[in-house]
Amino acid sequence: AQRVTQPEKLLSVFKGAPVELKCNYSYSGSPELFWYVQYSRQRLQLLLRHISRESIKGFTADLNKGETSFHLKKPFAQEEDSAMYYCAPPGGSASKIIFGSGTRLSIRP
Amino acid sequence: DVKVTQSSRYLVKRTGEKVFLECVQDMDHENMFWYRQDPGLGLRLIYFSYDVKMKEKGDIPEGYSVSREKKERFSLILESASTNQTSMYLCASSESRGEGTEAFFGQGTRLTVV
Repeated sequence: AQRVTQPEKLLSVFKGAPVELKCNYSYSGSPELFWYVQYSRQRLQLLLRHISRESIKGFTADLNKGETSFHLKKPFAQEEDSAMYYCAPPGGSASKIIFGSGTRLSIRP
Repeated sequence: DVKVTQSSRYLVKRTGEKVFLECVQDMDHENMFWYRQDPGLGLRLIYFSYDVKMKEKGDIPEGYSVSREKKERFSLILESASTNQTSMYLCASSESRGEGTEAFFGQGTRLTVV
């Protein structure tokens, strides 16, 4: 199975400050990667996928093949961004999905 | 609206009991997953099924088994519950296509073993 690592368990930033959640992958081939988010008392859901190259809720993520990274970024954090964030490879034909260990993002007012 | 539904939000069971956690999806997905979610440990895969009656172990299968008799339903079984199985359990499903597909999650079952 494809695997990813998230080195930070907790990230705390002030409202309005930039945010970067780190994710590194370690598999060969053409990687695709997803970011999932879980807000308090809500189910885990897809935030964005790298192949779509879109910005969701102000977040973007760029795949850097040289650094094997897929960091999630937002220029100005908002309090409602406080949540648990997971990086993961996509599912597919008979494919397990192994999530990163997750990063809890806390936005301080 | 896609739906993955877990049968219980909260369960309290006694040590040694046999526990069934049920998950149903209405998206005709081939793949289904069971994870447990613990603070500081993130989301860990227990078991995965890619077709009816087919299963593969995840990273932490010990103490668990699964059943998939119908495409839409995936059950997680704790043969003899122990206190270290107290956790949040998440079920998910995804399509089985060649290109990458996202996982859809249930609302979670918080199991407490006393």
